[in-house]
Amino acid sequence: GAGVSQSPRYKVTKRGQDVALRCDPISGHVSLYWYRQALGQGPEFLTYFNYEAQQDKSGLPNDRFSAERPEGSISTLTIQRTEQRDSAMYRCASSRGGTDTQYFGPGTRLTVL
Amino acid sequence: GQQLNQSPQSMFIQEGEDVSMNCTSSSIFNTWLWYKQDPGEGPVLLIALYKAGELTSNGRLTAQFGITRKDSFLNISASIPSDVGIYFCAGLSTGNQFYFGTGTSLTVIP
Repeated sequence: GAGVSQSPRYKVTKRGQDVALRCDPISGHVSLYWYRQALGQGPEFLTYFNYEAQQDKSGLPNDRFSAERPEGSISTLTIQRTEQRDSAMYRCASSRGGTDTQYFGPGTRLTVL
Repeated sequence: GQQLNQSPQSMFIQEGEDVSMNCTSSSIFNTWLWYKQDPGEGPVLLIALYKAGELTSNGRLTAQFGITRKDSFLNISASIPSDVGIYFCAGLSTGNQFYFGTGTSLTVIP
């Protein structure tokens, strides 16, 4: 596609529910990154993939968070048993790899009630 | 985790003035990046720096990668209203993780 897309754009859920956030990177981009951005803060690194391999997941806050990219393209960030503190903007970015420019998606605004 | 501190936190300037902001880190980075984020949008890359001491320009923007590899600055010359937004620095660690700074909010008064 022309740019990185994410869905849904907005997600409101009740505490304790599971949510799945989707990222569709720019076609052909090798690397895919997940970030969380709180209001007024910079993006906080969560995890990233090269192709289908998860290279680093040290930024995931706890084991309720997981991500996959099974075919090296679309990625899903899953949050299990959501808590109110999980409320944030979740952003995805993709790049050709290495230090190449990351292009950010519009984000998914998650609100946990 | 890595901490990138940006200063100032916010700036209010008159149109036409020059702007300077900087970013410091407690750790060494191999790459420094500067992004601009408009409300409701994702960050957009402005300038990338790959070598210590490197000075790079992109139009009215100039950025430098500090010699110690622990800092960087961004200058904007002759500011215009569309420069309004939040500017983030980001550093790429040896582990290939990007860490973003705390942001500098810029307001340009016409």
